[in-house]
Formats: sequence, C-alpha cells, structure tokens
Amino acid sequence: QVHLVQSGAEVKKPGASVKVSCQASGYTFAGYYIHWVRQAPGQGLEWMGWINPNTGGTNYAQKFQGWVTMTRDTSINTAHVELSRLRFNDTAVYYCARGGRSGTSLAYFDYWGQGTLVTVSS
Amino acid sequence: SYVLTQTPSVSVAPGKTARITCGGDNIGSKSVHWYQQKPGQAPVLVIYYESDRPSGIPERFSGSKSGNTATLTISRVEAGDEADYYCHVWDRSSEHVFGTGTKVTVV
Repeated sequence: QVHLVQSGAEVKKPGASVKVSCQASGYTFAGYYIHWVRQAPGQGLEWMGWINPNTGGTNYAQKFQGWVTMTRDTSINTAHVELSRLRFNDTAVYYCARGGRSGTSLAYFDYWGQGTLVTVSS
Repeated sequence: SYVLTQTPSVSVAPGKTARITCGGDNIGSKSVHWYQQKPGQAPVLVIYYESDRPSGIPERFSGSKSGNTATLTISRVEAGDEADYYCHVWDRSSEHVFGTGTKVTVV
C-alpha cells in the first residue's frame, strides 16, 4: 500500500527558511516523480514543482524559482522541499504528491501526503 | 500562464446529479484529471485522463470532455460527496495547472 507521510507543522518568522519532508513507502521510490503542491488558507491548489527521485533532477514553477529547493534522500525514501526567505503569504499547507505514471512528470497525482502546515508569523 | 476556470459553487439535492465544469483554452488537446478535497483533508484523485476511475472510486463519478470544457459528473449524489473539486491539466508553458475549484454543497 502506497503511503506518503509528511513532517509536522512548522511556525517560522519572516525571512527564515523551512524544510518539509515526505517519506514514501509501499512502492519503488525511484520510479515515480514527487510533486509539491501548496494551498493557502481558504484558497485553491498551487503546483510548486517536481523532483525525479531517480536522478535528483528538479523543475520548479516559475514563481518558485530561486527560493525553493527540492531534494531527495533515496536511502530513506524521502523527498524534501525547502523554502527560503519566507513571507507572510507563504503561510499554507504544503502537500507532496506522487506522479501517477512511472518515469514521467506529466501525469496526474495519484497519492498525496497528509499535508504540512507552515505558518509564517512574527 | 494557462488558466482553468471552474464555477465557484454547485448545490445539489441528495440522489440528483451534480455537474462540475472546467474550462480552458484548447483544453480539448489536454489530459484532464479531477480531485476531491474534503475540509481538512488532502486531495483525492477521482478521475484521471478525462474518464478513468482509480480503484475504490464509485462508478457514480464520471468524466467527459467536449470542446473547451471538461465535466465531472456525480450521479445519485450522497451527503458524503460534499467537498471541493479541482480539475488539473499539464500545459507545455505552465506545467501543472489546477482549476479554481468548485464547492459542491448537498442540500
């Protein structure tokens, strides 16, 4: 059974950085892209980018280029997203999601983590 | 950037049919997926590639596409279908794009 389990809630000050983790189980971690999606309070879903766990290659939505970094640790089947220079409007629930087809970044998202709330507050 | 537009809200009586639309430029050439999101929960995939259902999703959920509009249809609506629904496509210029979301209320 596929599971994506994310790290716990974080509270950060403006200008700080935060790193959210997503541990995968129940499938071959290297075989499926991991995407990150965020949702601000009361708002819709916003795609942030993906990481290829096999190669470590990444692709970020233009809005997140330069201040978001996605990494992975294949020894523990875990993907991470780090956000730097946090602002108040980065307060959101951050989700990891698995790409639904092996070896491609273009597909739907078939499994999602439970979400991690990041609150930016002074 | 690519934009997907959904009707903000739909109200439907139990046992009736809810139709949720998703419009976008040239959406006919793109693969459309749909997610259900209940309050405080992560999204759940309910339809992929326009009309395929993942294992465990009831047959009451179906999808279609015509012209510049994709539609998610929920037949014989139940109270448990009350949720937000989002469409999703991959676009060459914008990569992954989600619709604006539709809140389905069962009245």
